[in-house]
Amino acid sequence: AQKVTQAQTEISVVEKEDVTLDCVYETRDTTYYLFWYKQPPSGELVFLIRRNSFDEQNEISGRYSWNFQKSTSSFNFTITASQVVDSAVYFCALGTGYALNFGKGTSLLVTP
Amino acid sequence: EAQVTQNPRYLITVTGKKLTVTCSQNMNHEYMSWYRQDPGLGLRQIYYSMNVEVTDKGDVPEGYKVSRKEKRNFPLILESPSPNQTSLYFCASSPLVSGDHEQYFGPGTRLTVT
Repeated sequence: AQKVTQAQTEISVVEKEDVTLDCVYETRDTTYYLFWYKQPPSGELVFLIRRNSFDEQNEISGRYSWNFQKSTSSFNFTITASQVVDSAVYFCALGTGYALNFGKGTSLLVTP
Repeated sequence: EAQVTQNPRYLITVTGKKLTVTCSQNMNHEYMSWYRQDPGLGLRQIYYSMNVEVTDKGDVPEGYKVSRKEKRNFPLILESPSPNQTSLYFCASSPLVSGDHEQYFGPGTRLTVT
């Protein structure tokens, strides 16, 4: 069975702090894909990143970075120098075959 | 503009009154899917479609029907809605016939069943 666990339900930080959102996944498939999506207060789902199971390179995009570790089945997301506009719900998702399984999301609140 | 559209965006209905939420994409995508989002539960897949006339159940298909008669459209049908189907619904599409590609999401439909 495929499963994604985002243990942090809510996180609150002050602007300019760094914050890491945790994602742990379970799958027996050897080929799979991991995603992060952002859902701002306006409600739409915004794609952030896709990573396949054979590519363990970490990725950095501006203030965002992702750490993929197969050994611990984790795909963590770090926001450096957080900003108020980063306030949103963030979802980690696991894609295998035709299915996309989402975690329950982490609600991030960044206060000035 | 490449997009996934859903209609209506908001709907309040009564128990048992059949309804359809439409979903359309203009990107010629093979794969389409429906999700529901509930507080504390994240997004859960209802149905997906790999191509025209090919659909399959996701994790929470009970109480829903879908059809894929044309590549661009993937309506979600609630034959007899119940209050536990009150939720935020998202339609999504993807260029590949699998769940391993970025999915493009519609804006969501907020359904309330009283």
